[in-house]
Amino acid sequence: QQQVKQSPQSLIVQKGGISIINCAYENTAFDYFPWYQQFPGKGPALLIAIRPDVSEKKEGRFTISFNKSAKQFSLHIMDSQPGDSATYFCAAQKGGSARQLTFGSGTQLTVLP
Amino acid sequence: DGGITQSPKYLFRKEGQNVTLSCEQNLNHDAMYWYRQDPGQGLRLIYYSQIVNDFQKGDIAEGYSVSREKKESFPLTVTSAQKNPTAFYLCASSIQPGQGSEQYFGPGTRLTVT
Repeated sequence: QQQVKQSPQSLIVQKGGISIINCAYENTAFDYFPWYQQFPGKGPALLIAIRPDVSEKKEGRFTISFNKSAKQFSLHIMDSQPGDSATYFCAAQKGGSARQLTFGSGTQLTVLP
Repeated sequence: DGGITQSPKYLFRKEGQNVTLSCEQNLNHDAMYWYRQDPGQGLRLIYYSQIVNDFQKGDIAEGYSVSREKKESFPLTVTSAQKNPTAFYLCASSIQPGQGSEQYFGPGTRLTVT
């Protein structure tokens, strides 16, 4: 049972273009939504995160858009660069003492020079 | 340097053998986690621990065991009961399991069982 659905599985974008990755969730108990970036052979690193009381959060070229009613959130990478080529994971964290993260299946982004 | 170390980076084992993956952190974090990563499936939680001498099963705990005898160490044993152990294993830690508490990941161990 996949609680966080991520699309697309892979994405190819030209340098300078906009990369958009989408995620949808089902469990309304989720209250924190981070995005992780992972380079080959490395562990994921937190990129940006949002709480459901905010509809948008921007950090540099990275923006999260959040639609609480639709239970969807997306990552936008503006002016995409070859160095952004990596796998991106959305995740959702739910309340309670454990604060477990549930991850999407990942999107492999390739930015062409 | 503060961080999470996992060793070894690559591990090869024969089917039927138990194997223990190391995870050490010097971040003084209370919570530690083990994830398994398979191609196209994202990360799945195996076990987590919020405090020393206590741990809970995650979504895919069958065939795995852990211990948390020290705050900085959370080793994972992949037992022979794990039907498909070949995967990339990631350890993570967080200050405490509160809302928005960032999980920091180690570099991972790639386990191959033949």
